[in-house]
Amino acid sequence: AQSVTQLDSHVSVSEGTPVLLRCNYSSSYSPSLFWYVQHPNKGLQLLLKYTSAATLVKGINGFEAEFKKSETSFHLTKPSAHMSDAAEYFCVARTGNQFYFGTGTSLTVIP
Amino acid sequence: DAGITQSPRYKITETGRQVTLMCHQTWSHSYMFWYRQDLGHGLRLIYYSAAADITDKGEVPDGYVVSRSKTENFPLTLESATRSQTSVYFCASSVSDTQYFGPGTRLTVL
Repeated sequence: AQSVTQLDSHVSVSEGTPVLLRCNYSSSYSPSLFWYVQHPNKGLQLLLKYTSAATLVKGINGFEAEFKKSETSFHLTKPSAHMSDAAEYFCVARTGNQFYFGTGTSLTVIP
Repeated sequence: DAGITQSPRYKITETGRQVTLMCHQTWSHSYMFWYRQDLGHGLRLIYYSAAADITDKGEVPDGYVVSRSKTENFPLTLESATRSQTSVYFCASSVSDTQYFGPGTRLTVL
């Protein structure tokens, strides 16, 4: 079975500094990988997805993620944090018909 | 363009009562899913459906029942609610590898 590990439950950055949210997955083959964002009391919104094309994936709002098969990682980055980026972020892997979620990383942006 | 809607948005019920959470999508996506979100667990799959009249269990199906007589609707029923089912429930549909989520239903079981 697939599992997704988000290495940090909370990340705090200052506005204007880089963001790094870490995600590792386990699988015997490369799954489809996603990052979703959830703002308080809202549903989940897709940030970006990897489906075996380019290993560097660009998403919305300046986020990007790099798929590294050798490290089974799919870390999410953004060069400069904005206050509006404060939210919960979920790394998700899809194998077959099911989607497997990490436990989430809460991002705080300090003004 | 409503997308995917859930009702009710908030529900308080008592232990032992039957509760049905509704999910409706306007896109005609084949796949639909029900998740529950709890602190420390992320989202966990309850049931999913590949098409009308085709459903399958996810990671945490016990105590839940689903049906899908029409492509656009995917109701989730708690047959006899328990306190451990207090959670936020999300419905999703998917196409081309991407899931689209509803706004969620916050259920409290007293």
